[in-house]
Amino acid sequence: AQTVTQSQPEMSVQEAETVTLSCTYDTSESNYYLFWYKQPPSRQMILVIRQEAYKQQNATENRFSVNFQKAAKSFSLKISDSQLGDTAMYFCAFMKLKAYSGGGADGLTFGKGTHLIIQP
Amino acid sequence: EAEVAQSPRYKITEKSQAVAFWCDPISGHATLYWYRQILGQGPELLVQFQDESVVDDSQLPKDRFSAERLKGVDSTLKIQPAELGDSAMYLCASSPGLAGVWETQYFGPGTRLLVL
Repeated sequence: AQTVTQSQPEMSVQEAETVTLSCTYDTSESNYYLFWYKQPPSRQMILVIRQEAYKQQNATENRFSVNFQKAAKSFSLKISDSQLGDTAMYFCAFMKLKAYSGGGADGLTFGKGTHLIIQP
Repeated sequence: EAEVAQSPRYKITEKSQAVAFWCDPISGHATLYWYRQILGQGPELLVQFQDESVVDDSQLPKDRFSAERLKGVDSTLKIQPAELGDSAMYLCASSPGLAGVWETQYFGPGTRLLVL
């Protein structure tokens, strides 16, 4: 079974600052995806960024980037030029891919989340 | 933009009563997931469907929970009887479910259940 650990229950930074959220995971799988999801207050979960385990290049989406260290099983999220709208719960998630063709993917295994607060 | 629909958005019930949640995934998405999110925690998978078939229900408390996706489109999650510990947000998600396609899951707004 996989486990995902987010060691920072809450973080607070000033608007326009850069912030890094930590995530570590434990798995014996070699073929998997990693995700960061954002859950704003009273709103639905949305995808922030994703990373395929076989890709060495770190994923980037505008102000969001990851530092993926496969050997260390670490997957941190960096938010640059933080904005008030970035205030939300952020969840790191792991997804295993099935070994056989057409098998699709398993459900997500989530960490407990980090509550990020962007101060004006 | 297509979205996952869920209803009701909020549900208050008394313990020992039956409760049901409905989910309509994004059109064409073959894979559907039900998650339970306890306040302050990350979501936990309850059941996964591929079309109309259950792929994974290992974490579903089968003595009181049931899920179906009869025609491989929308899905219903039922709890009977509800217990106080079932108070949580119930999230539905869908994904294309095709090999070689990004397996991003798209989440609905959730149903918040309060059991009194």
